Amino acid sequence: NAGVTQTPKFRILKIGQSMTLQCTQDMNHNYMYWYRQDPGMGLKLIYYSVGAGITDKGEVPNGYNVSRSTTEDFPLRLELAAPSQTSVYFCASSYPTGLSSYEQYFGPGTRLTVT
Amino acid sequence: DQQVKQNSPSLSVQEGRISILNCDYTNSMFDYFLWYKKYPAEGPTFLISISSIKDKNEDGRFTVFLNKSAKHLSLHIVPSQPGDSAVYFCALSGGSSNTGKLIFGQGTTLQVKP
Repeated sequence: NAGVTQTPKFRILKIGQSMTLQCTQDMNHNYMYWYRQDPGMGLKLIYYSVGAGITDKGEVPNGYNVSRSTTEDFPLRLELAAPSQTSVYFCASSYPTGLSSYEQYFGPGTRLTVT
Repeated sequence: DQQVKQNSPSLSVQEGRISILNCDYTNSMFDYFLWYKKYPAEGPTFLISISSIKDKNEDGRFTVFLNKSAKHLSLHIVPSQPGDSAVYFCALSGGSSNTGKLIFGQGTTLQVKP
């Protein structure tokens, strides 16, 4: 299994541009998450999904959109990129069963710079 | 208002000694507690967890302690090894809804010196 994969690894955007960060998992996990990590800070939840067709906002959703048409894929869309969206973005997935219900598996991250 | 705090941004210990990383929280509704480890340019990886019905969980060199009355969580690494040098995040789940959402602390950078 590849686990959670994210593309691209790095990206530089100009202010006002848009892009989609891709996330795919091959573990058949129901739950998927998008986080951002700013320097010296913890991970903050942007959006999450508990299954195909179901998405909900996290702590910092402004400026982002998501969709979940399949179990495997959970793309994150940035519209009208702003410098405040410069960050490292992590996608994660989990499969809630018993005591491991909260363990999340993370992708390698996408480092985004908006200038 | 931060619900989860790791008050030490960094910690340096000698190889072979004990590393103790701390995490404080404010909401008594949290009922599942995890530690993640993160190397540079990689995603976080799960290390160890504990549910609120326990006060200790051990896995090899790693032990997590939970003090619910003090709302305090700690991770002990004994003995510390240079390969343990990484950023450690505590992550907490409220468990009140079936979303699996986690709230992360800011992280503590551990350096283990040979």
